[in-house]
Amino acid sequence: QVQLQESGPGLVKPSETLSLTCSVSGDSINNNYYWSWIRQPPGKGLEWIGYIYYSGSTNYNPSLKSRVTTSMDTSKNQFSLKLTSVTAADTAVYYCARGGRGYDPSGGKFYYYMDVWGKGTTVTVSS
Amino acid sequence: SYELTQPPSVAVSPGQTARITCSGDALAKQYGYWYHQKAGQAPVVVIFKDSERPSGIPERFSGSNSGTTATLTISGVQAEDEADYYCQSGDSTGTSVLFGGGTKLTVL
Repeated sequence: QVQLQESGPGLVKPSETLSLTCSVSGDSINNNYYWSWIRQPPGKGLEWIGYIYYSGSTNYNPSLKSRVTTSMDTSKNQFSLKLTSVTAADTAVYYCARGGRGYDPSGGKFYYYMDVWGKGTTVTVSS
Repeated sequence: SYELTQPPSVAVSPGQTARITCSGDALAKQYGYWYHQKAGQAPVVVIFKDSERPSGIPERFSGSNSGTTATLTISGVQAEDEADYYCQSGDSTGTSVLFGGGTKLTVL
């Protein structure tokens, strides 16, 4: 059974860098998946932050791209998120997730999904 | 604003059918996915690739896609189905992930 677990500081000061790690069990981050970060501000909807592919390639939400970096540590089977210059607007529950992306020729459509999620970790930005 | 548009809320009585729509141009080329999220919990996939149901999800959950509108149908709604529901797809270029704004399903 694949499980993901987020970890990191629950409180970050404004203008500092938010750093989170996602530990993966039951699967290898070297497998052909996209390892994503998603966040949810209090009382609001889901926002995709970005992913790191098993090959190391990355892709980020254009609205956050200038502040986001993701990385992998294959020796620990973990992947990480860094978000710089945080403000109160970055206060949210942060989720990591495993997903896939590609083209389905039988259905004639592209797919882009996240099938296994961590439980989430709350990060508050405050001085 | 969201590139996938959902109604903010839907309310039905137990045993009735709930339909939640998700509209967006991206759905013409991208499969739609549906997640339910109960308070304080992570989202869980209930429909993938427009209409397929993961193992463990009750048969009363079904999905469809008629071009640029995906629909999640819950037949015979139960009290335990009360949750927030989010649709998701790739964007029109396939480079980013889109989420709808979410629909709160209330079971009266």
